[in-house]
Amino acid sequence: DAKTTQPPSMDCAEGRAANLPCNHSTISGNEYVYWYRQIHSQGPQYIIHGLKNNETNEMASLIITEDRKSSTLILPHATLRDTAVYYCIVRLLNDYKLSFGAGTTVTVRA
Amino acid sequence: DAGVIQSPRHEVTEMGQEVTLRCKPISGHNSLFWYRQTMMRGLELLIYFNNNVPIDDSGMPEDRFSAKMPNASFSTLKIQPSEPRDSAVYFCASSWGRVSGYTFGSGTRLTVV
Repeated sequence: DAKTTQPPSMDCAEGRAANLPCNHSTISGNEYVYWYRQIHSQGPQYIIHGLKNNETNEMASLIITEDRKSSTLILPHATLRDTAVYYCIVRLLNDYKLSFGAGTTVTVRA
Repeated sequence: DAGVIQSPRHEVTEMGQEVTLRCKPISGHNSLFWYRQTMMRGLELLIYFNNNVPIDDSGMPEDRFSAKMPNASFSTLKIQPSEPRDSAVYFCASSWGRVSGYTFGSGTRLTVV
């Protein structure tokens, strides 16, 4: 039973912002939104997580809607090295399980 | 910080042989996870250790699979006997607690022929 819905793929131009959507309409009040990515032939890489407020770190920004039913991961200036599968994951704070869905395959083009 | 270190990077073995995958988590991390990735099933959690103790092994597919964590700096995943359907990429990950992001290793690509 998938908790998140992501588009299967999207393209982005190098140097432009990449906006990756994620729907999580059944999210509960104490569930966090996590984003990971997996570059080809590498292990998944943690990007960012949030509960209610927007979050920003050196890699990306996470925008969560007020009703928390969807979120957007923003890569501000996409580079070719950002080409990867991006996973949006919803999990409880005390839940150790990360359930990876199919994710969004993002291709950054020169 | 060298990150999570897994060995070997690639393993090719014959059906029926024993296979041992190794993982060194990040120093100070108290949680360790073994995941398996295949095209058909994606990323699946096999087992979770907290403070070297196995907490959840419900993802271990069969009795042929076993995992140990004898100390905070080392874990193994063993398959005995191996079968062709065990062919996959096996990832180890570690974290401090549950809130922070998990750090994954580069994985071991296992091929059983």
